[in-house]
Amino acid sequence: DQQVKQNSPSLSVQEGRISILNCDYTNSMFDYFLWYKKYPAEGPTFLISISSIKDKNEDGRFTVFLNKSAKHLSLHIVPSQPGDSAVYFCAALPTSGTYKYIFGTGTRLKVLA
Amino acid sequence: DAEITQSPRHKITETGRQVTLACHQTWNHNNMFWYRQDLGHGLRLIHYSYGVQDTNKGEVSDGYSVSRSNTEDLPLTLESAASSQTSVYFCASSAASNEQFFGPGTRLTVL
Repeated sequence: DQQVKQNSPSLSVQEGRISILNCDYTNSMFDYFLWYKKYPAEGPTFLISISSIKDKNEDGRFTVFLNKSAKHLSLHIVPSQPGDSAVYFCAALPTSGTYKYIFGTGTRLKVLA
Repeated sequence: DAEITQSPRHKITETGRQVTLACHQTWNHNNMFWYRQDLGHGLRLIHYSYGVQDTNKGEVSDGYSVSRSNTEDLPLTLESAASSQTSVYFCASSAASNEQFFGPGTRLTVL
């Protein structure tokens, strides 16, 4: 049972436009959510996070929105740049005191120049 | 600068062989994790450790083992490699519940 889902395996966006990556979760007992970015042949790198007590967190071109009632998380990238082309994973941390993240399946973003 | 390294970066082995993938971190993090990445499955947790002598099974632990004899290292052993274990393997470390730092990955092919 996939507790964290990224239903869009891929997304193409024109350079300069907004990229919106989505993530849904089924378990209300998540404390913390993160987005990771992964380039080919490299390990994932942390991008941005949000606590479950907030509904928005912004860092430069990247903003994460959390809608707890819908159990939905989204990452907005504005403006999108070709260097943003990568696979993006969302991850959730349960409130049970564990340090184990549950990762989604990833969305491949391609920003077209 | 602190870092997390994995070796080898690429490995080809035969079915039935024992394989060990190394992971070394200089962050002095207590928590270390092993994941595998497969198309359509994202990152799945194999084993994890919260400190020296502590090891725990993740969601896909069958056929894998780990040991933690010091803070810096968490080697992953495939006792008898199977073709289903062909994958890209990532090691990660973290301090408490902060974000995890990932290594560059090991691409393993089992023939």
